[in-house]
Amino acid sequence: DGGITQSPKYLFRKEGQNVTLSCEQNLNHDAMYWYRQDPGQGLRLIYYSQIVNDFQKGDIAEGYSVSREKKESFPLTVTSAQKNPTAFYLCASRTRDRGPNQPQHFGDGTRLSIL
Amino acid sequence: GENVEQHPSTLSVQEGDSAVIKCTYSDSASNYFPWYKQELGKRPQLIIDIRSNVGEKKDQRIAVTLNKTAKHFSLHITETQPEDSAVYFCAASRVITGFQKLVFGTGTRLLVSP
Repeated sequence: DGGITQSPKYLFRKEGQNVTLSCEQNLNHDAMYWYRQDPGQGLRLIYYSQIVNDFQKGDIAEGYSVSREKKESFPLTVTSAQKNPTAFYLCASRTRDRGPNQPQHFGDGTRLSIL
Repeated sequence: GENVEQHPSTLSVQEGDSAVIKCTYSDSASNYFPWYKQELGKRPQLIIDIRSNVGEKKDQRIAVTLNKTAKHFSLHITETQPEDSAVYFCAASRVITGFQKLVFGTGTRLLVSP
C-alpha cells in the first residue's frame, strides 16, 4: 500500500549496536503494528499501538522498543539485547473506524542482517 | 491463546487448475479471517477476508469459506495463472479491548506452472 513507508529497505547491524527502523503512514490510521517474519514461519507480533502515546508488547517484544509520538509514525528500535535480529520486519496499520474488523495494510518491509 | 495451522506448506498446480489452502484455528471467539498474498521480498497484500457472520465470500477467481463449528476456513483459487504463484497466509483474529490481534498461519507456497 502506497500509504505506508518503511525505511531503510536493507539494514545491517554490528554487534552491540542499536538500530532503528522507520515506519510512516499517511492513511490517518490510529492502529499500527510491527511484525517479524522468519523463513518458514508466519508473521509474529512484536509491538502494537492503538493510539498516540500508547503502545503494548506483542508476543515477541524482548529486545525491541518502540515509540508513538505522532499518529503517522511508529519507529522500531532493535536493541543489542535482541540476540537473533536477522529477519524481515513488517509494519502495518489499520483504521479503527467502521468497527474492529478492518484489514491491516502493510509496508514494504525492512530486511535486517547482522554484520 | 489463538493458534492457526495452515496446510499444505507447498502446493504445485498446473495453470488452469484449482488450488485450495486450508486453515484451522483454536479460539472459538475469533471472528475475522483475512488472507494475504506475499510475493518474494514484497509486502503481504490482502486478497480477501471474511467475518464470522458469513459462511462464504467470493471475489472473481478467489473464494473463502468458513466453518465456525469445525473452526476451519479455506481459500479457493480457480483457473490459476502463473501470476498467482506466491506465498499465501491465512490469519485469525479476535478483538480484545478494541485491539485486533492477528495470528498468522505459517504460509503456503503456491507454484502455478504454465
